[in-house]
Amino acid sequence: AQKVTQAQTEISVVEKEDVTLDCVYETRDTTYYLFWYKQPPSGELVFLIRRNSFDEQNEISGRYSWNFQKSTSSFNFTITASQVVDSAVYFCALFTDSWGKLQFGAGTQVVVTP
Amino acid sequence: ETGVTQSPTHLIKTRGQQVTLRCSSQSGHNTVSWYQQALGQGPQFIFQYYREEENGRGNFPPRFSGLQFPNYSSELNVNALELDDSALYLCASSLPYQSGELFFGEGSRLTVL
Repeated sequence: AQKVTQAQTEISVVEKEDVTLDCVYETRDTTYYLFWYKQPPSGELVFLIRRNSFDEQNEISGRYSWNFQKSTSSFNFTITASQVVDSAVYFCALFTDSWGKLQFGAGTQVVVTP
Repeated sequence: ETGVTQSPTHLIKTRGQQVTLRCSSQSGHNTVSWYQQALGQGPQFIFQYYREEENGRGNFPPRFSGLQFPNYSSELNVNALELDDSALYLCASSLPYQSGELFFGEGSRLTVL
């Protein structure tokens, strides 16, 4: 069975602070993909990043960075120097070939105030 | 390139009624998935269509049904609506074998009274 846990329901920060979102996943598959999606108030889920299970290299893309650790089954996501436009719900998701569909976590609401 | 579009954006129904939601996939994408997102929760997979055939289904009763047309657009039909069906219904399109990279529409918000 696949499972994604986002323990943080809401994080509030002041603009320019960094925000780290936690994600823990469960799967028995050896090949899988992890995602972060952003959902602004408009409702549309916006794809942010994808990593496959064979690539634990952590990267930075603009103000986004992620920390993938297979040993702890975690895929954390950081927004550096947050901006008001970053206010949204962020979802971590897991895809495995055996399931063939995206399994989402419950989401973390990020509120950035000026 | 045209993104995923859904209609209607909002609608209100009463218990027992039937509803049809529509989705046009992104240009070139032949796979469409539907998700239900209840308030404060993550999206839950309903089913997926590939080449007009259902290609996987989540834990939803048979009163949730769908169609995919030759132009890859899709419909989600829900019969005998229940209060718990109130949710945001998201459509996503993709190419096959893209390992989960989905492109979502803005959703149809259904309220059942």
